[in-house]
Amino acid sequence: DTAVSQTPKYLVTQMGNDKSIKCEQNLGHDTMYWYKQDSKKFLKIMFSYNNKELIINETVPNRFSPKSPDKAHLNLHINSLELGDSAVYFCASSKSGTKYNEQFFGPGTRLTVL
Amino acid sequence: GENVEQHPSTLSVQEGDSAVIKCTYSDSASNYFPWYKQELGKRPQLIIDIRSNVGEKKDQRIAVTLNKTAKHFSLHITETQPEDSAVYFCAASGSSNTGKLIFGQGTTLQVKP
Repeated sequence: DTAVSQTPKYLVTQMGNDKSIKCEQNLGHDTMYWYKQDSKKFLKIMFSYNNKELIINETVPNRFSPKSPDKAHLNLHINSLELGDSAVYFCASSKSGTKYNEQFFGPGTRLTVL
Repeated sequence: GENVEQHPSTLSVQEGDSAVIKCTYSDSASNYFPWYKQELGKRPQLIIDIRSNVGEKKDQRIAVTLNKTAKHFSLHITETQPEDSAVYFCAASGSSNTGKLIFGQGTTLQVKP
């Protein structure tokens, strides 16, 4: 009965490779987010989609490209991976793209770039 | 720009003592302030939140206070237990109505039995 799920849980890859992380939510929410948590535990918003429309796009290298095929899914594709991309990536969802709604986080994907 | 400062970065207390974590935000338009708890290796989970039209909110052993004038808000945990040990994040809503949250740097709380 998973609310927000991500795959894979762990991802180890070489510099220069391209990889994707998938996220799915079964809560019926219409807004989804990608966060990056670095080694110092700092959580930073990267992107957000509301009803498949991009509504938040922070200062993120254009090697990162989110894709939302439908309201329940938000994937993150990363091209030409760099050492600094190593982090835990969390997907989250909320009921709508307003300020007051609880964000539910996925279990995270630990990306290690060698 | 939008910024949230959180202190202290680490906090160690004896079981049964109280713990207080403080945050300051920069955007006066922020009006929603959630607190998330992240246990080791787990996902962040909401534990309490407060809106700007309220000065204080309590839920059993946890409470949050908000001073909009000073742009400060705090988390108070009373009668701490070892299972309260985790990283706690404060957050403030961004100025746009998009659900964007600006997180503080996190506080690692250790409760010693």
